[in-house]
Formats: sequence, C-alpha cells, structure tokens
Amino acid sequence: DTEVTQTPKHLVMGMTNKKSLKCEQHMGHRAMYWYKQKAKKPPELMFVYSYEKLSINESVPSRFSPECPNSSLLNLHLHALQPEDSALYLCASSQDNRGRTGELFFGEGSRLTVL
Amino acid sequence: AQSVSQHNHHVILSEAASLELGCNYSYGGTVNLFWYVQYPGQHLQLLLKYFSGDPLVKGIKGFEAEFIKSKFSFNLRKPSVQWSDTAEYFCAVISSNTGKLIFGQGTTLQVKP
Repeated sequence: DTEVTQTPKHLVMGMTNKKSLKCEQHMGHRAMYWYKQKAKKPPELMFVYSYEKLSINESVPSRFSPECPNSSLLNLHLHALQPEDSALYLCASSQDNRGRTGELFFGEGSRLTVL
Repeated sequence: AQSVSQHNHHVILSEAASLELGCNYSYGGTVNLFWYVQYPGQHLQLLLKYFSGDPLVKGIKGFEAEFIKSKFSFNLRKPSVQWSDTAEYFCAVISSNTGKLIFGQGTTLQVKP
C-alpha cells in the first residue's frame, strides 16, 4: 500500500465545475508534487512544493491551482477544465526536492474525466 | 534541457527469458537515477535507485541496473522474467540543480506464460 493517499480515486466533472483533488502524506516529507499522466504516457511534472512553498510550476494553465495548506497536505483546485485535461493525476512526496534523497513516493492517483 | 530516453517502447518476452531495457539521459550534471514500475491498474513503485557508489545497483524482485557514466546510461536488467513482471517500466532522472524528476517515455513489457 502506498503511504501517499489521494482522494477522490475517480472524478467526473463538467467544464464549468469547480472541484479539488486532495493528497495527504504522513512520512514527514517536505516536498510534494503533482504529476499528470495520460494513458500509455509517462507522468509529466506540473508543480513542486518545497517546505509548503511553490518552487516549480511547469507552465501549467491557471485552470489548475495548487495549494499546500501544511506539510502533510497538497490540493489541486480545478476550474473550467477542458476535455483534454482528462488524465490520471498523481501526487508524490519526497524528503526534499533537491535529489539528496530523491526517491518520490507516489499515490495511486485520481482519475479525472472532464465532460 | 534535461531529458530521458528509453529505447524500447514495447517488449514481448517468454517466461525465463532475460531482460534488458535501455535508458539514456542527457543531463551532464549530478543526477540521481531511478527505475519505476507501474503494474496494470496500480500506482508507480520504485524498483531501484542510484545515487552514488557501486554503479551496479540491485532492486526489488530480482531487478538490477548498471550506471555507466561515460555513456549516460542506466540500463535495467533481470536474468529471468516472470509473467508477473508484465508492466510499464519508467526510467527517471532527477537533477540536484533543478529538483525535477523527469521520466522517460516508458517501456511496456509483456511476458508470455
């Protein structure tokens, strides 16, 4: 079982909806990540938080809005998404984000469908 | 720019065959290297990792990988595959400068019983 918990596991939303994906870890990790994975493709980095501060934004459209309320929680707020945003959204955490430990622990993902 | 290249996109093997999956990266700085596996319907799991030291690293389930710095390669090997090894395999590299874990395109391994 993964130690990174993501909810919901599945989400269907319309293009005008506002929804959020949630991620939680209790490993004391200080770096948290959002990745997007389309079918048969590798995960693509979206955001990195380090010590609760956004450190990397990979030019993600503003309809995706990340939030890190504390060191254990990571949210991804979704608004006005497009059908092409349908994908598996993966959360991950690591001890820090400078590769000194480097191992990312991934959650099972939230499968998002935008109608 | 940092990039990771996996040579084999789809590999089909019979049980007990040997496996080698190629991975090359382009970043020339200090990197940490990983192989992740994604079984059908499951989350990404770490197979093995290289940070420093012995370039031959052993991971879970009998997998190993060799880091060859001069070739910028980190190939994954297993002497004898099993049907349960059927999965998607991703090579990944993280640069200590950028802190970004970048994945290769993935290799789909299908093992026939």
